[in-house]
Amino acid sequence: LAKTTQPISMDSYEGQEVNITCSHNNIATNDYITWYQQFPSQGPRFIIQGYKTKVTNEVASLFIPADRKSSTLSLPRVSLSDTAVYYCLVPTSGTYKYIFGTGTRLKVLA
Amino acid sequence: EAQVTQNPRYLITVTGKKLTVTCSQNMNHEYMSWYRQDPGLGLRQIYYSMNVEVTDKGDVPEGYKVSRKEKRNFPLILESPSPNQTSLYFCASSSAGFQPQHFGDGTRLSIL
Repeated sequence: LAKTTQPISMDSYEGQEVNITCSHNNIATNDYITWYQQFPSQGPRFIIQGYKTKVTNEVASLFIPADRKSSTLSLPRVSLSDTAVYYCLVPTSGTYKYIFGTGTRLKVLA
Repeated sequence: EAQVTQNPRYLITVTGKKLTVTCSQNMNHEYMSWYRQDPGLGLRQIYYSMNVEVTDKGDVPEGYKVSRKEKRNFPLILESPSPNQTSLYFCASSSAGFQPQHFGDGTRLSIL
């Protein structure tokens, strides 16, 4: 059974880069890793997705090492509005049954 | 506007009284899924559906039923709700199983 773990919480200051890592022990070669942001009383919102090396979009980057046992979400120059809980999401190997990470509560300070 | 719509948003009910939470998406998505979110346990998948008439169990399917008779709808059925099903429920959809999922705004269920 896939298991995904993340740091419980992180604090950062505005303007800093934040890196959040997710450890996943059982995903297949072509399985995608997806990251979401969640604010209180809202559904998770898609941030970025990838399955190897590095992916970048307008809000974040995703780094996936060769062994694919972890992935790192990078948020450049965070602002107060980035205060939220961040989750990784991975499929159980070979299926579309999904496992969320334990979630990382990011607090951005002024 | 592309969206996943859940109803009701809030419900307080009693043990054993059958209830259905509806989920509808307007994006012609093939994949749909239900999750529950609990403090300390995070988000866990209940059921998912790859397409019409194709459903499968997630991590915590006990006590729940689903159906996928039409592409846009994926209702979650609690035949005999119990207090341990008190939770925040999210429906999600994506164009294919590996694509990013769009989530609804959630349904908060309280079973007394």
